[in-house]
Amino acid sequence: GAVVSQHPSRVICKSGTSVKIECRSLDFQATTMFWYRQFPKQSLMLMATSNEGSKATYEQGVEKDKFLINHASLTLSTLTVTSAHPEDSSFYICSAREGGGGRNTDTQYFGPGTRLTVL
Amino acid sequence: SQQGEEDPQALSIQEGENATMNCSYKTSINNLQWYRQNSGRGLVHLILIRSNEREKHSGRLRVTLDTSKKSSSLLITASRAADTASYFCATVFYSGNTPLVFGKGTRLSVIA
Repeated sequence: GAVVSQHPSRVICKSGTSVKIECRSLDFQATTMFWYRQFPKQSLMLMATSNEGSKATYEQGVEKDKFLINHASLTLSTLTVTSAHPEDSSFYICSAREGGGGRNTDTQYFGPGTRLTVL
Repeated sequence: SQQGEEDPQALSIQEGENATMNCSYKTSINNLQWYRQNSGRGLVHLILIRSNEREKHSGRLRVTLDTSKKSSSLLITASRAADTASYFCATVFYSGNTPLVFGKGTRLSVIA
């Protein structure tokens, strides 16, 4: 099956620093990637949708200047949390949907997540 | 925003019993999917049911979909301790670039 990787799996940083999280589709091309955030014992909340080569679409209430998303290639999307604060501590999960070529586009493949802790 | 509401929010059963979780959603969908998440881990895709389907099976899992009531249920038969996890339903409004929207989830505990 399709595999999505995330790096790093865990990161601890100081308040005020920026953190970059990478999401890669390993064996398929992902024209669309999604970023979710999950707080403890809560569900996944969609943050943004990114399409390769274009600007991300952010969900209401998500600051685009704080959460920078870049989808520069068909296999890589990055989420940069800028000037991180303790309230940004969360589990960030990316997801990729295979695009084009007549393949099934119903399935979103999820990465294993990145746990961010901001001190 | 979240689409689905699962109930119960938490469920505790004995090993060997069946576990039923329900999900309701608000708008018309293309398909509905169920996922499992072990504590602090990534998501595992369990099953996808399309809007024109009423029931699907996969091993010990049985999923039903009632589009008139905008609801779905996930039944796990003969539960095992390893089934302990959070279970989420997620809906797709229509195929294309629309993302999965997750419900709040049910935390299932299976006691050995």
